[in-house]
Amino acid sequence: AQSVTQPDIHITVSEGASLELRCNYSYGATPYLFWYVQSPGQGLQLLLKYFSGDTLVQGIKGFEAEFKRSQSSFNLRKPSVHWSDAAEYFCAVVPNSGGGADGLTFGKGTHLIIQP
Amino acid sequence: NAGVTQTPKFRVLKTGQSMTLLCAQDMNHEYMYWYRQDPGMGLRLIHYSVGEGTTAKGEVPDGYNVSRLKKQNFLLGLESAAPSQTSVYFCASRRSGLSYEQYFGPGTRLTVT
Repeated sequence: AQSVTQPDIHITVSEGASLELRCNYSYGATPYLFWYVQSPGQGLQLLLKYFSGDTLVQGIKGFEAEFKRSQSSFNLRKPSVHWSDAAEYFCAVVPNSGGGADGLTFGKGTHLIIQP
Repeated sequence: NAGVTQTPKFRVLKTGQSMTLLCAQDMNHEYMYWYRQDPGMGLRLIHYSVGEGTTAKGEVPDGYNVSRLKKQNFLLGLESAAPSQTSVYFCASRRSGLSYEQYFGPGTRLTVT
């Protein structure tokens, strides 16, 4: 079955430390990949996306993600976190279906806590 | 340019009551989606629409109906609310074609008692 897995429900990081959030997918063919962030009480904001090409993609707010086909992974990273990065992070995928209207399939999310 | 807006922001219903959630977008997007978000579950697709007058079922469609009479609006209806429908509901829209990027509204928090 097609699925998206975020293995870490909660992650606590000290302010200024580096961050890596994990995402693995299980699809027949490489889907299109996204990372969204949800601040408390807010909607979802797109951080970055991967369709093809360079496997290291840059996003907003200093985030980047690396696509590794061999590991079916699309991990999100940030070299130095700020207190304002505390939020819920979702990995999402959509099948590469030639422009079809498929909705996103989301992982269950990782809650990021920033320690002072 | 407001993007995607949702009405209302909060609502409390009693079991068996009905209501309609409204989603509006001003980006002239062809595709629109309704998701529900439950703790520890991520977001799950309820219904979606590829254009005016068309709708399709998503992963969790039971207990919901939708309509898209105008391109810019996508309505989600609950005919007889149940406590299991307590959730946060998000609407999203995107252009047709290969962009795939969805734009989300701020959400509606619904409690069914």
